[in-house]
Amino acid sequence: AQKITQTQPGMFVQEKEAVTLDCTYDTSDPSYGLFWYKQPSSGEMIFLIYQGSYDQQNATEGRYSLNFQKARKSANLVISASQLGDSAMYFCAMSAPNNAGKSTFGDGTTLTVKP
Amino acid sequence: DTAVSQTPKYLVTQMGNDKSIKCEQNLGHDTMYWYKQDSKKFLKIMFSYNNKELIINETVPNRFSPKSPDKAHLNLHINSLELGDSAVYFCASTLGGGNYGYTFGSGTRLTVV
Repeated sequence: AQKITQTQPGMFVQEKEAVTLDCTYDTSDPSYGLFWYKQPSSGEMIFLIYQGSYDQQNATEGRYSLNFQKARKSANLVISASQLGDSAMYFCAMSAPNNAGKSTFGDGTTLTVKP
Repeated sequence: DTAVSQTPKYLVTQMGNDKSIKCEQNLGHDTMYWYKQDSKKFLKIMFSYNNKELIINETVPNRFSPKSPDKAHLNLHINSLELGDSAVYFCASTLGGGNYGYTFGSGTRLTVV
C-alpha cells in the first residue's frame, strides 16, 4: 500500500522568500512517481511537478523544485521567490505502475504568503 | 479548449434524488478517474477507467455507478443521494500508468440538502 504524509497543515512565508513544503512517502513498489499539485481557493487542481523514482536529478519547473531524497523517502517541494499568488493548498501525491496509475494523495499543506 | 471539462460545476439537490456528473477530456489520454474531496480537503479515489475498461473500483457504495462510453468520456451517476455524499467530485485524466501527472477537471460541488 502507498502512503503519503504531509506533516505541515499550514505554513506561512514572506513574499519573495523561499519555502519548503514537506512530504514523506511509503511504498514497496520499486518504480513510482511523485507529484505536487496546487489547489488555490478557487478550487481547481493544478499539476506542478513530477519526479520519477529512478530520476537521478531533482525535478525543477520554474520556481518549483522537488527535493527528492530516496533513502529518506522524502519529496519536499521548494518554492523560490514566493508570490502572493502562491497562497493555496498544496498536495503531495504518488502513483505506481503496479497500482493501475492510481494516485494516493497526502492531506495537504495550506501555504499563506504574506506581503 | 478546456482540456478536462466537467459539468455541472455546482449541483444542489434533495436527499433521495438521482443525479449525474459528466466529464470529457480532449487530451488523448487513455485513463480517467473520479476522485472525491471531502470537507476536510481529503482526496480519495473512487473509480478509474482505462480505454473504457474499469480498472479501479474502490470501496464506494453501489449507489455510485461510473460509465465510460469511450476513452474521452467518464460519467458518474449517483442514485438515492444522501447528505454524506456532499463533496467536491473531481474528474481527472492521464496517459499510461499515471506517471505523467493528472489533468483535473474544475470539480463539481455537490450539495445534498
